[in-house]
Amino acid sequence: KQEVTQIPAALSVPEGENLVLNCSFTDSAIYNLQWFRQDPGKGLTSLLLIQSSQREQTSGRLNASLDKSSGRSTLYIAASQPGDSATYLCAAAGAGSYQLTFGKGTKLSVIP
Amino acid sequence: EAGVAQSPRYKIIEKRQSVAFWCNPISGHATLYWYQQILGQGPKLLIQFQNNGVVDDSQLPKDRFSAERLKGVDSTLKIQPAKLEDSAVYLCASSYMAGSFSTDTQYFGPGTRLTVL
Repeated sequence: KQEVTQIPAALSVPEGENLVLNCSFTDSAIYNLQWFRQDPGKGLTSLLLIQSSQREQTSGRLNASLDKSSGRSTLYIAASQPGDSATYLCAAAGAGSYQLTFGKGTKLSVIP
Repeated sequence: EAGVAQSPRYKIIEKRQSVAFWCNPISGHATLYWYQQILGQGPKLLIQFQNNGVVDDSQLPKDRFSAERLKGVDSTLKIQPAKLEDSAVYLCASSYMAGSFSTDTQYFGPGTRLTVL
């Protein structure tokens, strides 16, 4: 059974800092690894999707990496802004039924 | 393009009552998902539909939860009777599923927050 862990559970940084969010998964047989953002009272917004054959994906100030052999993914946010404050969730898409298994998320606060 | 629509946004009921949630996916999306997100946890898949057929319902508590997707478009999720531990946000998501799992992105609705008293 796939298990996804995110560290840290919460993070507070001053505006302008670069930061890294960590995600680990136990089963390397995945189709892809996805990062989502969740704002309070709202649904999830897809940020990046890394296919199992890829090593990283970039979108603007966001960069996500994937290391299947070690069961790890990181989300790098450059030059953080107060608008980046949200909960960030990673999810592993399991090979087979394509079920997404989510971590509990990292709650990010960017202080102006 | 319109996103995934869900209603109601909030619902408060007493235990042992029944409740139903509605979801309208993005037009053209073949796959529809229902997730349960308990406070402080990540979403957990309850059921996955491909068109109007069930692909995965292994984590659906079938003694009290039921779901249907008529005509392969809208879907309803029902709980009867509700328990205190059903208090959660129920998220609906849809995806195009063009044939490649590796690149398929799910789009989520705003969710329905259920409180069971």
